[in-house]
Order: sequence, then C-alpha cells, then structure tokens
Amino acid sequence: DTEVTQTPKHLVMGMTNKKSLKCEQHMGHRAMYWYKQKAKKPPELMFVYSYEKLSINESVPSRFSPECPNSSLLNLHLHALQPEDSALYLCASSQDIGPENEQFFGPGTRLTVL
Amino acid sequence: QQPVQSPQAVILREGEDAVINCSSSKALYSVHWYRQKHGEAPVFLMILLKGGEQMRHEKISASFNEKKQQSSLYLTASQLSYSGTYFCGTYGSSNTGKLIFGQGTTLQVKP
Repeated sequence: DTEVTQTPKHLVMGMTNKKSLKCEQHMGHRAMYWYKQKAKKPPELMFVYSYEKLSINESVPSRFSPECPNSSLLNLHLHALQPEDSALYLCASSQDIGPENEQFFGPGTRLTVL
Repeated sequence: QQPVQSPQAVILREGEDAVINCSSSKALYSVHWYRQKHGEAPVFLMILLKGGEQMRHEKISASFNEKKQQSSLYLTASQLSYSGTYFCGTYGSSNTGKLIFGQGTTLQVKP
C-alpha cells in the first residue's frame, strides 16, 4: 500500500465551528507532514511529526492544532478559523525525516471557511 | 529561503523538449522534484543529493550543480501526460525536515 489517504475531501465550515482533518498511511513511514496550499501557489509547510513527536511547527496560528495519535495517523484540528485559511490542506509522509526521503502526498482536503 | 524556478510557464508540442531550472541563494543539500496535476496531489519525481549522480525517471532527468546552487529538470520528447505544475523543493542541510518549494513552473503539452 503506497497511498496516503485524507478525509474529508471537501469541508465547508463557519468561523465558529470546530472540525478535524484526518490523514492515514500504512507504509510504515515515521515522518508525517501537514502543508497548506493556496491556488496557483506551492505547498507551504505547517507541521512535521517524526516518530509521533512534533518536530517542526512553522509558526502556525494556534487555531490549527496537530495531533499524531499513532505512527499511521495524523490529525489537524481546526477551531475559529478565518476566511483566509481557506485552502487545500495536504498531508504527506516519508520513511524518515530529512533530505534523502521522498514524500508521498495525499489528495488533500479542500477547506472553505465562511 | 524559497528557491526560484524559471521559466514560470512553458507551452510545448508533443515530442518537444523542455528545461526547468531551480536556483537558490543559499547552499543546498538536496533538491526534490515533484509534479502536480490540476486538482491532484503532488507526485514525487526524483531526488538529487549533494555529491550524487544525475537522476532519471523515464524520459525525465535532472542535474544538481552544488557550486552554483542550481538544479535543472530535463523533459525529453514530451508527452501529453507531462502537463502539470513542476515544483522543485530544497533542503538547506542534512539535519532538517523542512522542504521548501519553489513557486512552480506550469507546463502545458499540446498535441
């Protein structure tokens, strides 16, 4: 299984809602990532988990809260988002952290904040 | 530091060749290349490591000039399936997990 899955595919939420994005991989990878991608822009790194511990937080606002319950799962909890947070949220995984490791991306969750 | 890609966009006919460049103002440890089709996830193409060899993926190859802090992606005899946005991603050192993507190059291959 060389797939990263993400749910839901689409999400529309109000600024007062609380929602979660889910990412799963069964490749035995020990590094997992959250990226944010705006239209016609490159993916921007948000968080990196290595061996289930948060390794990198790219100064992301606290309304985004990542969680790694186990080595296969990665969640992104959303609360009190702003309309400018609307974007494609991509999850990725790699064998390990670091420049020798290719990243496998999931299809993304397209988030719209009203 | 975000790498800079050139050109921003390319339009080709099937069978033509193209080169996409990626350069950085800082020293690079490795360069990754990804292709993203509209509405889809980025797909890994290849990694070039400092001191490594030129890589090839089907009719796509890439080089990495460490001294110039540049990488180039060569698409030979392009096919319709090559259409998409190509991103280079760079790592500045061996002990970081942070991949920084360039702004992307949109490639359109026409019949």
